[in-house]
Amino acid sequence: NAGVTQTPKFQVLKTGQSMTLQCAQDMNHNSMYWYRQDPGMGLRLIYYSASEGTTDKGEVPNGYNVSRLNKREFSLRLESAAPSQTSVYFCASSLQGHEQFFGPGTRLTVL
Amino acid sequence: LAKTTQPISMDSYEGQEVNITCSHNNIATNDYITWYQQFPSQGPRFIIQGYKTKVTNEVASLFIPADRKSSTLSLPRVSLSDTAVYYCLVGGNNRKLIWGLGTSLAVNP
Repeated sequence: NAGVTQTPKFQVLKTGQSMTLQCAQDMNHNSMYWYRQDPGMGLRLIYYSASEGTTDKGEVPNGYNVSRLNKREFSLRLESAAPSQTSVYFCASSLQGHEQFFGPGTRLTVL
Repeated sequence: LAKTTQPISMDSYEGQEVNITCSHNNIATNDYITWYQQFPSQGPRFIIQGYKTKVTNEVASLFIPADRKSSTLSLPRVSLSDTAVYYCLVGGNNRKLIWGLGTSLAVNP
């Protein structure tokens, strides 16, 4: 099992550009999450999906959109990137909302 | 939403037992307490989870008093590889988990 995979691993954008971060899990988990982590900080929840077909806002959803494409995949889209969105983005999944399994992260820089 | 409070940092030496306490005064009835470990440039990794009393696994123990307003993660005989940031979270079916700043543990030789 690959667990949780994220692509890309690194990305540099210019202000105003758009991009989609991809996440997939092969553990048949119901719930999936997108977090951002800034230097020296804990994780902040952007969006989560409790099950296929549902998504809900987390703590910091502004500037982001998500799609739960199917049970395996949960993508995060930045429509118009801003320097404030420079961060490390983690995707996670869980079976019952308890133990979360994390991907390796995407390091995004917005210039 | 249950917020947690932990010490910002702790220092220890190899072979010692380390106890990290987390305060969560507004924990809800259906909330579980979960601890994660994070190394630099990696995603967090699950350590242990509990609801009440004591839970033990192969790497740690979790002590939860009867009022559940705090919890203590106990790492027996730490090694240099235990140097990491440790996060305490509370939550249950409510998916909006709040991650604090965590506790940065430094294990010295």
